[in-house]
Amino acid sequence: DQQVKQNSPSLSVQEGRISILNCDYTNSMFDYFLWYKKYPAEGPTFLISISSIKDKNEDGRFTVFLNKSAKHLSLHIVPSQPGDSAVYFCAASGGQNFVFGPGTRLSVLP
Amino acid sequence: SAVISQKPSRDICQRGTSLTIQCQVDSQVTMMFWYRQQPGQSLTLIATANQGSEATYESGFVIDKFPISRPNLTFSTLTVSNMSPEDSSIYLCSGSRNQPQHFGDGTRLSIL
Repeated sequence: DQQVKQNSPSLSVQEGRISILNCDYTNSMFDYFLWYKKYPAEGPTFLISISSIKDKNEDGRFTVFLNKSAKHLSLHIVPSQPGDSAVYFCAASGGQNFVFGPGTRLSVLP
Repeated sequence: SAVISQKPSRDICQRGTSLTIQCQVDSQVTMMFWYRQQPGQSLTLIATANQGSEATYESGFVIDKFPISRPNLTFSTLTVSNMSPEDSSIYLCSGSRNQPQHFGDGTRLSIL
């Protein structure tokens, strides 16, 4: 049973437009959520996080939104750039351990 | 953030052999973890590496198959024992002082 779901395995966006990556979770004990970006042959790189006491966190071009009642979070990237093309993992934590989603492959087309 | 170095970066091994992966962190971290990423799948936590004591394993992973050491705050090893083709994966080390976790580049392991 997947506790963290990313239902879109892939997403293509035109350069300059907004990318929206979605993530759903089932465990109401999760209180900390993160997004990681992964390029081929590299480890995941931390992007942005949000705790359950907030509903929005912004860092430059990246904004994460959390809807606790829907157990849903999303990552917005605007404007999207070709260098953003990577696999994006959503992760959730209720303590020290993380549970990762299956990832969404984002392709930003020039 | 901590810089995490793993070696080897990749290896091709024979069935039935064992391989030890090393993970070095450039600053003291509280927690160190080992993950596996099987082809086309997400990251799955194998265990939490505890300094000076036995690692804490997740369901489905056992010490006999994946022995882990962490002799100090900045170094840990994961051994993949008696390998079979099903063990072909990327193995990743991560560390954190406080959130978030930071990852090494992983070890890509192929078993023939």
